[in-house]
Amino acid sequence: GAVVSQHPSWVICKSGTSVKIECRSLDFQATTMFWYRQFPKQSLMLMATSNEGSKATYEQGVEKDKFLINHASLTLSTLTVTSAHPEDSSFYICSASSGEGTDTQYFGPGTRLTVL
Amino acid sequence: KQEVTQIPAALSVPEGENLVLNCSFTDSAIYNLQWFRQDPGKGLTSLLLIQSSQREQTSGRLNASLDKSSGRSTLYIAASQPGDSATYLCAVIGNQFYFGTGTSLTVIP
Repeated sequence: GAVVSQHPSWVICKSGTSVKIECRSLDFQATTMFWYRQFPKQSLMLMATSNEGSKATYEQGVEKDKFLINHASLTLSTLTVTSAHPEDSSFYICSASSGEGTDTQYFGPGTRLTVL
Repeated sequence: KQEVTQIPAALSVPEGENLVLNCSFTDSAIYNLQWFRQDPGKGLTSLLLIQSSQREQTSGRLNASLDKSSGRSTLYIAASQPGDSATYLCAVIGNQFYFGTGTSLTVIP
């Protein structure tokens, strides 16, 4: 149980375009979802936390107008990278919690974004 | 802000050796600590979760310890195998997950 999926697993796009990444909890209801970014040989950094039906909370330094997060249902959150640039190329990982607290997060397999 | 450090950054050992990975953190006010494995280009696989009231957890050939007062955790891998080759991440759990930069392990057949 507690499976989280991400789609797509990898995406290549041109600079200036927008890319949407989906995160789904397959067998549980995710009250809270988290989006992380991981640059090569670096640790995962939390970008934002989203609760179903409300606005996401962004970490300091993360542009909310560039990284649009929607958590419209208890099983789906989306991250849209708007007007992507090469420096946005990274590995994006989502995680989901059923509301038991921040100590129980189930991680997705990640999405590799390459912006040309 | 919580800072998490993992030493060494990379480790190469021959098959069969026992090894220890280290994780240190600056703020001892944590809920839990979790060890993950990450294969290249892949997501995270949870290995062990140690609650703040516990001192260690074991799963198969893996044993993780936690010393909150000194801000340290270790992951012990017994009888290493080539399939253990991966990056190992520790995450300190407070009001959010704080990840270390990982230790890249290579087990040589």
